[in-house]
Amino acid sequence: KNEVEQSPQNLTAQEGEFITINCSYSVGISALHWLQQHPGGGIVSLFMLSSGKKKHGRLIATINIQEKHSSLHITASHPRDSAVYICAVRSPGDDKIIFGKGTRLHILP
Amino acid sequence: NAGVTQTPKFRILKIGQSMTLQCTQDMNHNYMYWYRQDPGMGLKLIYYSVGAGITDKGEVPNGYNVSRSTTEDFPLRLELAAPSQTSVYFCASSLGEGPRNSPLHFGNGTRLTVT
Repeated sequence: KNEVEQSPQNLTAQEGEFITINCSYSVGISALHWLQQHPGGGIVSLFMLSSGKKKHGRLIATINIQEKHSSLHITASHPRDSAVYICAVRSPGDDKIIFGKGTRLHILP
Repeated sequence: NAGVTQTPKFRILKIGQSMTLQCTQDMNHNYMYWYRQDPGMGLKLIYYSVGAGITDKGEVPNGYNVSRSTTEDFPLRLELAAPSQTSVYFCASSLGEGPRNSPLHFGNGTRLTVT
């Protein structure tokens, strides 16, 4: 069974700072997902990746398959980025997706 | 497209009552999932389905049942509700796995309280 660990659990930063959230998993994967959940809100998919790097606006997701590690970066952070960021993985041949506990991000104005 | 639609948004149940959480998607996705989210915890998989007529248990299936008679619908049934089932429930869908791996689409969640 794949174990997914995220760090940090909580992160508070000033507006404009560069943010990094980390995700490590224990066994090989076919895909890794980064998701965003706003307080009291639904869950939105940010990225799905299996190798390399993806960029969307101020968000960048990278993955290192050999090290079983992914990072989510936010450049020029803004208070509206305050949310819980969740990492999830699917292993090859497994229909299930395993979720990390999330990283709660708070950006101060 | 509406995406993934969950109903109801909120519900309060008395211990021992039953209810069905509805989930429907209009993206012709094969895979559908039910998760529960407890405070401070990650999403836990209750049941999932890889296509119409096929369902399987996840990590925490006790106290729940599902059916998948059509590609679009994946209702979650709670029988004899217990306080431990107080949680936020999310339905999600995706196209598939492997070459058909695709982003996850979530419903807006159902906040259930059992008292």
